[in-house]
Amino acid sequence: EAGVAQSPRYKIIEKRQSVAFWCNPISGHATLYWYQQILGQGPKLLIQFQNNGVVDDSQLPKDRFSAERLKGVDSTLKIQPAKLEDSAVYLCASSNSQGVPTYEQYFGPGTRLTVT
Amino acid sequence: SQKIEQNSEALNIQEGKTATLTCNYTNYSPAYLQWYRQDPGRGPVFLLLIRENEKEKRKERLKVTFDTTLKQSLFHITASQPADSATYLCALDVGYNFNKFYFGSGTKLNVKP
Repeated sequence: EAGVAQSPRYKIIEKRQSVAFWCNPISGHATLYWYQQILGQGPKLLIQFQNNGVVDDSQLPKDRFSAERLKGVDSTLKIQPAKLEDSAVYLCASSNSQGVPTYEQYFGPGTRLTVT
Repeated sequence: SQKIEQNSEALNIQEGKTATLTCNYTNYSPAYLQWYRQDPGRGPVFLLLIRENEKEKRKERLKVTFDTTLKQSLFHITASQPADSATYLCALDVGYNFNKFYFGSGTKLNVKP
């Protein structure tokens, strides 16, 4: 079974620039999560999708961050414009929430963003 | 304020000993609690899930306890090995109509040969 794919793995941008991250979850997983992990901290949930609908985006800085999950499969997370404090690893995860849910989250390798 | 606390200091133990990691929380009544392992440069990997009505869960050398009165979970690795060295994260399901997980900051475990 293929895991969660993310790209790019690394990105360096200057502040005020825009950046986009892509995630392809495990096939059949209805729930998709985007997390932000700052160095030395645990992952912080930014947004959660159930199929192509947003379930929770209460911690997403909506003035600069946006995310979409078209057709309930792939997802993109965008930052526009980036700030220095956005430097972090952005993790995508998916889980199988249909049938008998196990709530086990499968994480991708993450995208390390550096804003200079 | 809502808080999930894990020991911020690294835990250093000798190979063969039992490692015990702590996850304390306040102001939550989680239905589930998960433990994950994270290696440098990689995403977290799921290890165990324990439900609020379960006191203990085991998987091979791993054991998790969940005390909803103390608001605490303990994660044990018995017969630890250098390969167990990693950061261990706890995550609480704080959702109501849907599952929503908040993570602790993790505890780094170093197992020395």
